Amino acid sequence: AAGVIQSPRHLIKEKRETATLKCYPIPRHDTVYWYQQGPGQDPQFLISFYEKMQSDKGSIPDRFSAQQFSDYHSELNMSSLELGDSALYFCASSLRDGSRVEGGNYGYTFGSGTRLTVV
Amino acid sequence: DAKTTQPPSMDCAEGRAANLPCNHSTISGNEYVYWYRQIHSQGPQYIIHGLKNNETNEMASLIITEDRKSSTLILPHATLRDTAVYYCIVRVYGQNFVFGPGTRLSVLP
Repeated sequence: AAGVIQSPRHLIKEKRETATLKCYPIPRHDTVYWYQQGPGQDPQFLISFYEKMQSDKGSIPDRFSAQQFSDYHSELNMSSLELGDSALYFCASSLRDGSRVEGGNYGYTFGSGTRLTVV
Repeated sequence: DAKTTQPPSMDCAEGRAANLPCNHSTISGNEYVYWYRQIHSQGPQYIIHGLKNNETNEMASLIITEDRKSSTLILPHATLRDTAVYYCIVRVYGQNFVFGPGTRLSVLP
C-alpha cells in the first residue's frame, strides 16, 4: 500500500529563518495530522486537518502555521525558527470515520518524518 | 495527558513471547485501545487496536481485560527487529492520538 510521503527528509536552517515541511497523505485519506518529537521526547500533537479545514489544534506555537490543499497534501510553515524547534516532525493521515483503505490500517499511518535542525 | 500507564522498560529474549502491559483504568465506553511502536527515529507504526474483544493480526495479539481497565500486547516470537518503544493509547474515533512515555522493549539475543 502507498505510504505517507514527507519532504524533505532532512533540513538545516539558521535561527530566525523560515522552513516549510510537506506531507502527502495516503490516497483517499481525508485527515492529516502533524506531530513534533524533540530529542528523547514522545511525539506531541501540533495540528490536524479534515477535508482541508483545521479540525484540532494542539501545542503548536504561534510562529507555526499549516494548511491542507485541495489535493489533500499539507504543509507546515515555521517562521522565526528557534534552536528549540530542532526536532523530528511527523505527518500522519487517516480516514476520519475510522475505516481503512485497502491495504491500510485502522489507525494513523505515519510518514518517515522530517528532521529539522536549527543552528 | 496520556490516559495510560506502562512500564518504562522491559527485556525479552529473542524467540520468546513479549508481553507488554498497559493500564487504562479511566477508559470510557467508546474509547478504543491502540498500540503503536516506534523503532529508533522512524515514524510510529500501527500494530493493533481493539474495543473490548481480544484481537489478533499478523503482528501481535491484544488481550483486553473484561473490565477494560488494562490490556496486554503480545508479540508471540520476538525478534531483534522488535526492539522499539511501544505506545499504548486510548482514544475515540476522531480524537488525536496522545503519546505517553511508552515502554522501551529490548529484545536480547
